[in-house]
Amino acid sequence: GAVVSQHPSWVICKSGTSVKIECRSLDFQATTMFWYRQFPKQSLMLMATSNEGSKATYEQGVEKDKFLINHASLTLSTLTVTSAHPEDSSFYICSAHEGNYGYTFGSGTRLTVV
Amino acid sequence: GESVGLHLPTLSVQEGDNSIINCAYSNSASDYFIWYKQESGKGPQFIIDIRSNMDKRQGQRVTVLLNKTVKHLSLQIAATQPGDSAVYFCAEKAGSNQFYFGTGTSLTVIP
Repeated sequence: GAVVSQHPSWVICKSGTSVKIECRSLDFQATTMFWYRQFPKQSLMLMATSNEGSKATYEQGVEKDKFLINHASLTLSTLTVTSAHPEDSSFYICSAHEGNYGYTFGSGTRLTVV
Repeated sequence: GESVGLHLPTLSVQEGDNSIINCAYSNSASDYFIWYKQESGKGPQFIIDIRSNMDKRQGQRVTVLLNKTVKHLSLQIAATQPGDSAVYFCAEKAGSNQFYFGTGTSLTVIP
């Protein structure tokens, strides 16, 4: 089946620094990937849709300058949390769509900003 | 987004019993639905899906029921096992590629 690899699985960073999260489709090409954010004991909130070779589409209320998305190839999308603050601490999850296997999720990245 | 996350409701069942997890979706135009299972600290795992032209679909030990009239989705797990303990989310899609997740239900299986 389709596999989506997300890295890192856990990152702790200092307030004010930037963190990059990678999402890779390992055995398929994904023209579209999705980034979600999840707070403890809450549901997944769609942040943005990442389109290969074009700008990401952000959901209402998500700051595009804060959460930079780059989808430079058919197998890699990155989410960069810029100038991170403690309120950005969350679980970030990516997913990708592959025609035969549907929507597959990465294992998530737990970001802790101290 | 179409559905907003809230604090999770919980469901506790005895091992071996059947579980029913419910989900109310918000967009009457949604035409594709998926149930996901999420274990602590991990990403969601696909369980079963259903399209809006169906009202029931069965998998291994799981059945999804769709009632479009009241915009309700349910997941039935037969003979629930301790390994089924997790948070379960329904997700809806309406034409576009984006999925929007429901509130989620935390299932605890009591041995």
